Amino acid sequence: GAVVSQHPSRVICKSGTSVKIECRSLDFQATTMFWYRQFPKQSLMLMATSNEGSKATYEQGVEKDKFLINHASLTLSTLTVTSAHPEDSSFYICSAYPRDRGSGANVLTFGAGSRLTVL
Amino acid sequence: AQKVTQAQTEISVVEKEDVTLDCVYETRDTTYYLFWYKQPPSGELVFLIRRNSFDEQNEISGRYSWNFQKSTSSFNFTITASQVVDSAVYFCALRVHPTDSWGKLQFGAGTQVVVTP
Repeated sequence: GAVVSQHPSRVICKSGTSVKIECRSLDFQATTMFWYRQFPKQSLMLMATSNEGSKATYEQGVEKDKFLINHASLTLSTLTVTSAHPEDSSFYICSAYPRDRGSGANVLTFGAGSRLTVL
Repeated sequence: AQKVTQAQTEISVVEKEDVTLDCVYETRDTTYYLFWYKQPPSGELVFLIRRNSFDEQNEISGRYSWNFQKSTSSFNFTITASQVVDSAVYFCALRVHPTDSWGKLQFGAGTQVVVTP
């Protein structure tokens, strides 16, 4: 089955530094990947849609200059949290569909998530 | 606008008891998809089921069963004979079709299931 890999699984950084999270589709190509954020004890919220070879599409209220997304290949999307602050501490989860979507109702496959703690 | 409501924040049961998780959704679209995901303490989301709006058949998969009722906009999930390994947060999610983003699932708040031995 389709596998989405995220790295790192946990990261702790100092306030003001930047952190990069990688999302890879291991056995399929993904022209589009999706980044979700989950605060403790809360639900998942879509942050942005990462499009291979073009700019990401951000959801309302998400700062594109703070959360930089790069989708340089069909198997890799990166999320960089720039100048991270404690309020950015969260669980970031990427997801993707296999490239051949068929009916479009295929299952969105999630990575294992990356837990960011900003001190 | 789409909305998914999981009114139960936490359910605690003793092993072997059945547990039913409620999910109520709102959408004006006639074509949509409903999902259930399991999130164990490790954090990864595990896909459990997908149901489209034209298929109201209930489904059973092992100890899991789902009851989809369009008349009440509900898609409830039952775990029969619960086990400790079922302890997790369970999310119900909705995606409408067509959508400007295939990956945009509207998640409910989640229900924490705690199964004690």
